[in-house]
Amino acid sequence: QVQLVQSGAEVKKPGASVQVSCKASGYTFTSYDINWVRQAPGQGLEWMGWMNPNNGNTGYSQKFQGRVTMTRTTSISTAYMELSSLRSEDTAVYYCARGKIVTGTPTHFDYWGQGTLVTVSS
Amino acid sequence: DIVMTQSPDSLAVSLGERATINCKSSQSVLYNSNNKNYLAWYQQKPGQPPKVLIYWASTRQSGVPDRFSGSGSGTDFTLTINSLQAEDVAVYYCQQYYTSPLFGPGTKVEIK
Repeated sequence: QVQLVQSGAEVKKPGASVQVSCKASGYTFTSYDINWVRQAPGQGLEWMGWMNPNNGNTGYSQKFQGRVTMTRTTSISTAYMELSSLRSEDTAVYYCARGKIVTGTPTHFDYWGQGTLVTVSS
Repeated sequence: DIVMTQSPDSLAVSLGERATINCKSSQSVLYNSNNKNYLAWYQQKPGQPPKVLIYWASTRQSGVPDRFSGSGSGTDFTLTINSLQAEDVAVYYCQQYYTSPLFGPGTKVEIK
């Protein structure tokens, strides 16, 4: 069965960076985009960007351009999201989610990771 | 940029009754070349990731109970939950994927 398993909770100081990992199993990792979505406490869902695991191409929300980097290691079917220059407003649960087939049209997100809480506090 | 709105913000429905949630996009999410609406609905329960219920505006995801249905086209969409069950208490989000993905603000469904 398809699974996305994320790394554990993180506590970071303002100005630091955080990297969250997302390990995929149950399907061909390089065949589907991976998206990252975050959710601040008590708030809605905010899309951050996508990555094509086959070639590493990425597309970021304008809001996060310059602060976010999405990468992958195909040999272990794992995607990464790094967010830099952290501020308190970045405190949120970060989710990875499987998107479209890499060569296909945009589509919904059909499988999600369990979420990773990132807390930014001095 | 597309803006997504949902109404109401919250609603309380009696068990067994119908819940209706509306979603509006500031521009059409209907792609004319394939006649598909790039609109999905998700359910999120506390402490859990979102779960897709409906995609292409009206296609039910495998395993989703048939009391959930989606309708609409262009800019106006509706999620209907027929015969509300206790396990349907959740926040529901619409999402457009016509352009860069964007979620609506959510609608909280509770039991009256």
